[in-house]
Amino acid sequence: GAGVSQSPRYKVTKRGQDVALRCDPISGHVSLYWYRQALGQGPEFLTYFNYEAQQDKSGLPNDRFSAERPEGSISTLTIQRTEQRDSAMYRCASSLGAGKGYEQYFGPGTRLTVT
Amino acid sequence: QQPVQSPQAVILREGEDAVINCSSSKALYSVHWYRQKHGEAPVFLMILLKGGEQKGHEKISASFNEKKQQSSLYLTASQLSYSGTYFCGTELQGAQKLVFGQGTRLTINP
Repeated sequence: GAGVSQSPRYKVTKRGQDVALRCDPISGHVSLYWYRQALGQGPEFLTYFNYEAQQDKSGLPNDRFSAERPEGSISTLTIQRTEQRDSAMYRCASSLGAGKGYEQYFGPGTRLTVT
Repeated sequence: QQPVQSPQAVILREGEDAVINCSSSKALYSVHWYRQKHGEAPVFLMILLKGGEQKGHEKISASFNEKKQQSSLYLTASQLSYSGTYFCGTELQGAQKLVFGQGTRLTINP
């Protein structure tokens, strides 16, 4: 079956612009996670959802970052007034459930470059 | 809170064995292992749960020492395809999210 998909795969934006990154999880997966990954580093947790409810947003760096999953499927991570330090690979992952040892399946990521 | 992985990098010849370690200062519910090849997404390898349950690939073995909050990933008779960066992700009890280590880069040479 289809895996996790993300779009766009690459995004170049100018400082100050808003960007929206999309994640389409594996069908039937209840939980959806957003991560940021710097080159050569492990994924850094940002936020996660169970169905449409945002359960934990403790990893969002500041209030310019927000995420939603209104119908419990596709999710959007929005970064307002982008800054150069926001440049990174943004990945999402989905799983059948949250915690309790459910494995997460990662998407290909969106490479964001802020110029 | 970030788990510590060791070693940071390993270089092996094909057929040799390797052990990658992951340790946490917090009480863990589970440890997840992933492998990531350059330019690709992390791929799930194995989960080890508190209490001894394991889920994952048949050809991969790992251990979880609950007393020490340490996990080890054992790669035996390594193949060229094992090359990549290995990450452990730790789930604290009640947290329902993973915190990943800094990774261990494994290079397998012919």
